[in-house]
Amino acid sequence: DSGVTQTPKHLITATGQRVTLRCSPRSGDLSVYWYQQSLDQGLQFLIQYYNGEERAKGNILERFSAQQFPDLHSELNLSSLELGDSALYFCASSPQELLAGYTFGSGTRLTVV
Amino acid sequence: GQQVMQIPQYQHVQEGEDFTTYCNSSTTLSNIQWYKQRPGGHPVFLIQLVKSGEVKKQKRLTFQFGEAKKNSSLHITATQTTDVGTYFCAGRSNTGKLIFGQGTTLQVKP
Repeated sequence: DSGVTQTPKHLITATGQRVTLRCSPRSGDLSVYWYQQSLDQGLQFLIQYYNGEERAKGNILERFSAQQFPDLHSELNLSSLELGDSALYFCASSPQELLAGYTFGSGTRLTVV
Repeated sequence: GQQVMQIPQYQHVQEGEDFTTYCNSSTTLSNIQWYKQRPGGHPVFLIQLVKSGEVKKQKRLTFQFGEAKKNSSLHITATQTTDVGTYFCAGRSNTGKLIFGQGTTLQVKP
């Protein structure tokens, strides 16, 4: 157990639907990062939050949005889902922005059918 | 934009052979991190290098940060089947952004 909790572990949904992925960072970590990993692909950075505020955006589609709540958990919302959105979605957290390694959760595997 | 390239993409070795993966950045990095992702698992932080020319060792793993802070390498001596997985480098730019390389997937034949 890395200390970063992601739910659900698996999600199967139909095209056009909307889903919410949840992440609880490791205790004490203020930064949360979302990454997408497609089959045999690297880690594509989506978005970062630090202490409730959006800090950086990567290759996040307009159909995707995220937020970090006062208790520091984060949610990633994916809407108007397409087949190509099927992937592993990882959440990671770190205590500081610049000097610490990231602790990854076990991921949510999203399958769009 | 900033890119971090990692080679090779795949490597198959016989158990006991050495393995090296290389990471190159298009810009100077403030630091570089290495992660390992086992098959079906999530990336796990291995190490961070900060200083120019820095070399760090973890048992059979040797990590190096180039003098110009634009490249790095991970060398595994005498691979074991437990070394199987994908190794990612992640370079942090001076703006603070962490960019992951595409990873090197290592297969070890017993």
